[in-house]
Order: sequence, then structure tokens, then C-alpha cells
Amino acid sequence: EVQLVQSGAEVKKPGESLKISCKISGYNLMNYWIAWVRQMPGKGLEWMGLIYPNDFDTRYSLSFQGQVTISIDKSINTAYLQWSSLKSSDSAIYYCARGGNSSPFDYWGQGTLVTVSP
Amino acid sequence: SYVLTQSPSVSVAPGKTAMITCGGDSIGTRDVNWYQQKPGRAPVLVIYSDTGRPSGIPERFSGSNSGNTATLTISRVEAGDEADYYCHLWHSRSDHDVFGPGTTVTVL
Repeated sequence: EVQLVQSGAEVKKPGESLKISCKISGYNLMNYWIAWVRQMPGKGLEWMGLIYPNDFDTRYSLSFQGQVTISIDKSINTAYLQWSSLKSSDSAIYYCARGGNSSPFDYWGQGTLVTVSP
Repeated sequence: SYVLTQSPSVSVAPGKTAMITCGGDSIGTRDVNWYQQKPGRAPVLVIYSDTGRPSGIPERFSGSNSGNTATLTISRVEAGDEADYYCHLWHSRSDHDVFGPGTTVTVL
């Protein structure tokens, strides 16, 4: 069974760093892109970027380029999304999903709520 | 960048048909996917590559795509279909995935 299990909710202060995770199981990690999608409170889905585990090829939306880093640790089948300096506007739910880059997002994590508040 | 448009909301009576549209320049030449998102839940893929239906998705959900409009059709609408629906495609020229702004379906 394909599963993407994300790390738990986080509460941070502006300027702090953060790394959230997405543990992947149930299929060959190398064959599919893994994407990150943001959903701000009451708003729609925004594609942030994705990574191809086979060769670490990583693409970012222009809106998120330089603001976040997407990475993956193939040894433990886990993808990451990280910030070096959070802003209040980063408060949102973040989803990891399998697919993208010409493939549908067919499996999703349950989402990680990030709250950034002074 | 490539922009997708969707009507903000659609209201439909139970048992009737809901049509949710997604507009984009020559979208008919691209593969469009659709997702259903219920409150507090992760999105679920309901249609892929314009017309494909993943395992477990009812036949009541169907898709089409031509010209500048892709359409998700929900036949015999049920109360449980009330949700936000998003279209999505991969824009090859920019090498980016793109989501539409979403349509809220309300069952009367």
C-alpha cells in the first residue's frame, strides 16, 4: 500500500528555521517525482516544487525559489521541505504528493500544519 | 506562466448534474487532472489525463477536455460530493505544475 506520512504540526516564531518531512512507503521511490503543495488558510492549492529521487533533480515554482529547499534522503525514503528563516506568511498546511512533471498527484500525505507567530 | 481559471462556486440539487470548468490557453492540448478536497482533508485524485478515473472513484465522475476548456462532470450528485475541486496540469514550456484556483461545489 502506497503511503506518504508527514510529520506533525509545528508552531514557530518568525526568523526560526524548520524542516518538515514526508515518509514514503509502498512503492519504488526512484520511479516517481515527489512534490510539495502549499495551502494557506481558506485558500487554494499552490505547487511549490518537486524532486526526482533517482537523480535529485529539483524544480521550484518561481514563487518559492530561494524561499524553501526541497530534499530527499533515499536511505530512509523520506522527503523534506525546509525553511531557513520563517515568516508569518509561511503559516499554511503543506502537503507532499507523489507525482507531478506530467504525472497526476495520485497519492498525498495527510498534510502538516505550520503556524508562524510572534 | 500558465494560468488556469475556474468559477468560484457551483450549486447543484441532489440527483442533478454538476459541471465544473477549467479554462486555459489551448488546454485541450494538455493532460488535465482533477482533485476533490473535502474540509480538513488532503486532496484526492478523481480524474487523470482528462478522462481517466482512478480505482475507487465512482463512474458518476467523468472528464472531458477540448479547445480552451476542460470539464469535470459529476452525474447524479450526492450530498457527499460537496467539496472543493481543483484542476491541474503540467506546463511543459515552463516545466511547472499548475493548479486552478478551485471551485466549491455546494449540494442544495
